[in-house]
Amino acid sequence: QVQLQESGPGLVKPSQTLSLTCTVSGGSISSGGYYWSWIRQHPGKGLEWIGYIYYSGSTYYNPSLKSRVTISVDTSKNQFSLKLSSVTAADTAVYYCAREGDSSGAFDIWGQGTMVTVSS
Amino acid sequence: SYVLTQPPSVSVAPGQTARITCGGNNIGSKSVHWYQQKPGQAPVLVVYDDSDRPSGIPERFSGSNSGNTATLTISRVEAGDEADYYCQVWDSSSDHPMFGGGTKLTVL
Repeated sequence: QVQLQESGPGLVKPSQTLSLTCTVSGGSISSGGYYWSWIRQHPGKGLEWIGYIYYSGSTYYNPSLKSRVTISVDTSKNQFSLKLSSVTAADTAVYYCAREGDSSGAFDIWGQGTMVTVSS
Repeated sequence: SYVLTQPPSVSVAPGQTARITCGGNNIGSKSVHWYQQKPGQAPVLVVYDDSDRPSGIPERFSGSNSGNTATLTISRVEAGDEADYYCQVWDSSSDHPMFGGGTKLTVL
């Protein structure tokens, strides 16, 4: 079955760019029918959708983060990536990648999540 | 943007029925999805499109949606159901997914 796995640095300095990658196994991003999303969860808080990408490269971002977010896809590696620029301590969170069905809008598969701390 | 309101906590004794609500303006017109998140783990989809269950989710989990309230119902609650539960919809006004604030289910 399809599995997602996040990877990337667990510590990022303020003002730098947070970069994470999600590797998809057991299925192909290129098969279509799904949006590939990034979602984060601040410590002890709820879930915040960051944005998604379709295999074609079409993207959509949360308006509150849009100016700092870039999501890209590498279909040859079956991966999609998140870049969040100019980070501050407020970006400290667990970052999840997730698959969203383009018909239902539900996030049916999630990665295990990766904790990213912004600190000098 | 669209606001989803969940009670911060719900408590229920084992074997009883837990009902977790998700309030939103005319939420009955939207598809609501529910997630279970246990400590230190990623969320798991337990109900989608108001009342459908993904494969592997027990029949004890059910959902309904009407008017301004969607409800996740967990029948015959077990200790293993203790978790945070989040509702989610697609907000057509801002054109992105929205999550409720989450409800902590405590099994007494």
